[in-house]
Amino acid sequence: GENVEQHPSTLSVQEGDSAVIKCTYSDSASNYFPWYKQELGKRPQLIIDIRSNVGEKKDQRIAVTLNKTAKHFSLHITETQPEDSAVYFCAASAHTGNQFYFGTGTSLTVIP
Amino acid sequence: ETGVTQTPRHLVMGMTNKKSLKCEQHLGHNAMYWYKQSAKKPLELMFVYNFKEQTENNSVPSRFSPECPNSSHLFLHLHTLQPEDSALYLCASSQDGLDSYNEQFFGPGTRLTVL
Repeated sequence: GENVEQHPSTLSVQEGDSAVIKCTYSDSASNYFPWYKQELGKRPQLIIDIRSNVGEKKDQRIAVTLNKTAKHFSLHITETQPEDSAVYFCAASAHTGNQFYFGTGTSLTVIP
Repeated sequence: ETGVTQTPRHLVMGMTNKKSLKCEQHLGHNAMYWYKQSAKKPLELMFVYNFKEQTENNSVPSRFSPECPNSSHLFLHLHTLQPEDSALYLCASSQDGLDSYNEQFFGPGTRLTVL
């Protein structure tokens, strides 16, 4: 089965700096990679996703890059703000199945 | 925010108790999921129902028993749990469980403590 690894487990950045979270996956059949944000005491919510037919996707301050050859994908947050503080989860899924495999999460703290 | 609701929000039970978790989605979705979220572990998919039919069961112990009477409701029946089952149990739904491109909408979770 799929194995998703996520690093780092914790990340602290100064407000305005960039944050990068990296994930690797093992199953070459995975072709959909969503990122979820979970604020303290709240439910995970999708913030951005990428399919295997593109290498990069951007939505305002958030971007995701995918390297299928190396089997890794990354979340980039620019101009971080205190409200970006949360736990971020990456996931991988194959289009033909119902399985989502999640990483262990990264706790991001943006210091004002 | 009422897309996916879960009750109860918190539950404390003994190892010999029987309890049930309830999930309801108001989004018109066809697929519903149970996840277990433990500290410092990945979200673990437990069960998937698509059009009320169970399509995935990820080797979950039989002390967890799901029930999906219709596309809007999902239950997780708990019986003779162990302390290591203490976790946050999240319900999610998506438009169509056969298409994994669909966004999963999560409920607020039930914080379960097994004494």
